[in-house]
Amino acid sequence: QKEVEQDPGPLSVPEGAIVSLNCTYSNSAFQYFMWYRQYSRKGPELLMYTYSSGNKEDGRFTAQVDKSSKYISLFIRDSQPSDSATYLCAFMNRDDKIIFGKGTRLHILP
Amino acid sequence: DSGVTQTPKHLITATGQRVTLRCSPRSGDLSVYWYQQSLDQGLQFLIQYYNGEERAKGNILERFSAQQFPDLHSELNLSSLELGDSALYFCASSVDGGGENTGELFFGEGSRLTVL
Repeated sequence: QKEVEQDPGPLSVPEGAIVSLNCTYSNSAFQYFMWYRQYSRKGPELLMYTYSSGNKEDGRFTAQVDKSSKYISLFIRDSQPSDSATYLCAFMNRDDKIIFGKGTRLHILP
Repeated sequence: DSGVTQTPKHLITATGQRVTLRCSPRSGDLSVYWYQQSLDQGLQFLIQYYNGEERAKGNILERFSAQQFPDLHSELNLSSLELGDSALYFCASSVDGGGENTGELFFGEGSRLTVL
């Protein structure tokens, strides 16, 4: 079983739709859960960070963690063409090693 | 602009050759991470340094080595290059890394290596 699984997409949705991105993981030692966004030809940048189960909201973005199911999600409300990017889930345990999913390519259609 | 500088941006070389990629972290950041990104493997963690010392090791090949210097810049050395080493190599830095990392990495724009 892979340590992190993420559907690579691409995922195409119309502007204004709600987007749901997901990752599953197998390592129970992961304590920190993150979502990064990567635009074409750029490095990834941190979007959301959390360390507990539950929801965390930041503007149009909501990160959800379910530790019992080893499942994390990112929801984007009122999606915009500028949200078109690759979204990578990321996980960190106590040794500071940060493991990334392969990323989901998202296209928001105007 | 993340504040992390990587050079060179693009590099084309031949199989069997050796290259060095350089990274300058954000001012004040003590940790430097190296990642390899390819279409099929995604973003693969190679190695992390914290204040000059190796802290964590990932899927780094024996042909690859890295170090962090006293001024905190880092270099990734890739030797005996193979076609499969063609990828985007990212450096990232963080302020922490001594066991109190929040997971926020600041990435450079990457060095694109093409091995012919």
